[in-house]
Amino acid sequence: RKEVEQDPGPFNVPEGATVAFNCTYSNSASQSFFWYRQDCRKEPKLLMSVYSSGNEDGRFTAQLNRASQYISLLIRDSKLSDSATYLCVVKEDASKIIFGSGTRLSIRP
Amino acid sequence: EPEVTQTPSHQVTQMGQEVILRCVPISNHLYFYWYRQILGQKVEFLVSFYNNEISEKSEIFDDQFSVERPDGSNFTLKIRSTKLEDSAMYFCASRTAPGENTGELFFGEGSRLTVL
Repeated sequence: RKEVEQDPGPFNVPEGATVAFNCTYSNSASQSFFWYRQDCRKEPKLLMSVYSSGNEDGRFTAQLNRASQYISLLIRDSKLSDSATYLCVVKEDASKIIFGSGTRLSIRP
Repeated sequence: EPEVTQTPSHQVTQMGQEVILRCVPISNHLYFYWYRQILGQKVEFLVSFYNNEISEKSEIFDDQFSVERPDGSNFTLKIRSTKLEDSAMYFCASRTAPGENTGELFFGEGSRLTVL
């Protein structure tokens, strides 16, 4: 089983749509969870951390279900600038932080 | 804003040659990482480094790879004898110690390695 698994997409949605990404992880002892964004041929950058109680940052909402080992990201009112690859990232311990394969999102006008 | 810097941005080398990729992490960070990303594929963990030693490494990080922090600022990745399949973007990342933040990784812009 892959350590961090994501639907690779691509998701192709119109501007203004709501889109949701899912991620599962295999190590139940994992400590922290994040969503990163990666633009084409660029380095990954933190989008938001994911907390057990769920958290929101503007149009972005992240959820964590530790029992199911499942993480989600919801983007509301999507913008053209949201087009990117979204990476689910799991901090298993202080030394090991691993990435999912990413979900490609393309927003069309 | 502090940033992680990497050099070179692009290196082309012949198969079998040694390559050293350099990184300057953010100055007060304590954990350092190398990741690689083959074109079109996922970001893969290679190695983490803390307190002047390797704290964890992946299966990819075999005897051909080594890391060191020679002078307290640079953090280097050496590939002893490059293979064609080592062609990838190599990202350096750093973060502060646990408990001080959520564990956000700060990435450099990457070093693209092309092995011919």
